Amino acid sequence: SQTIHQWPATLVQPVGSPLSLECTVEGTSNPNLYWYRQAAGRGLQLLFYSVGIGQISSEVPQNLSASRPQDRQFILSSKKLLLSDSGFYLCAWQLPNYGYTFGSGTRLTVV
Amino acid sequence: AQTVTQSQPEMSVQEAETVTLSCTYDTSENNYYLFWYKQPPSRQMILVIRQEAYKQQNATENRFSVNFQKAAKSFSLKISDSQLGDTAMYFCAFYSNYQLIWGAGTKLIIKP
Repeated sequence: SQTIHQWPATLVQPVGSPLSLECTVEGTSNPNLYWYRQAAGRGLQLLFYSVGIGQISSEVPQNLSASRPQDRQFILSSKKLLLSDSGFYLCAWQLPNYGYTFGSGTRLTVV
Repeated sequence: AQTVTQSQPEMSVQEAETVTLSCTYDTSENNYYLFWYKQPPSRQMILVIRQEAYKQQNATENRFSVNFQKAAKSFSLKISDSQLGDTAMYFCAFYSNYQLIWGAGTKLIIKP
């Protein structure tokens, strides 16, 4: 079966520290992968999407970056976190012409 | 630009009642998909129902059904026999050309 894993579930990081969130997909090949951020009580904001290894499209220029080193691995990173980077981060995998399946999310608090 | 509008920030109904959440969208595309996602307090995003724009028949999934009006660009979600576990944020979303556009969400509270 097809599943998506995202970790960690919760993260508290100081301002200026680096960030690495990982997302992996099982049971499929060459998936379209997405990183979203959700502020409290708000909708989802698309940050990055990838249609293949090494292919990253950025929707919102900011302090974050994404990489796809393997077909089923998608990483969200930052070299130096800002307070404004706090939020709930969701990785998603798109089923062709069907919909998105989401990971369980990472709650990031920058202090 | 494509937009999705959910005009009801919050709704509450009694358990077992029927509730309808509204969603309108704006697009010049002819082929697209529409979705309703549910986000309970756990914040897991769960697909509730999907509708393909080229299908005239309204999608149904158990207690969940949609009223898809393509000409009016309306895509409402009806929840029948509401249950306490239906309490969640509900997001309407439009998909076309690798882009998923989200509404702002409706907070639905089911009261016992």
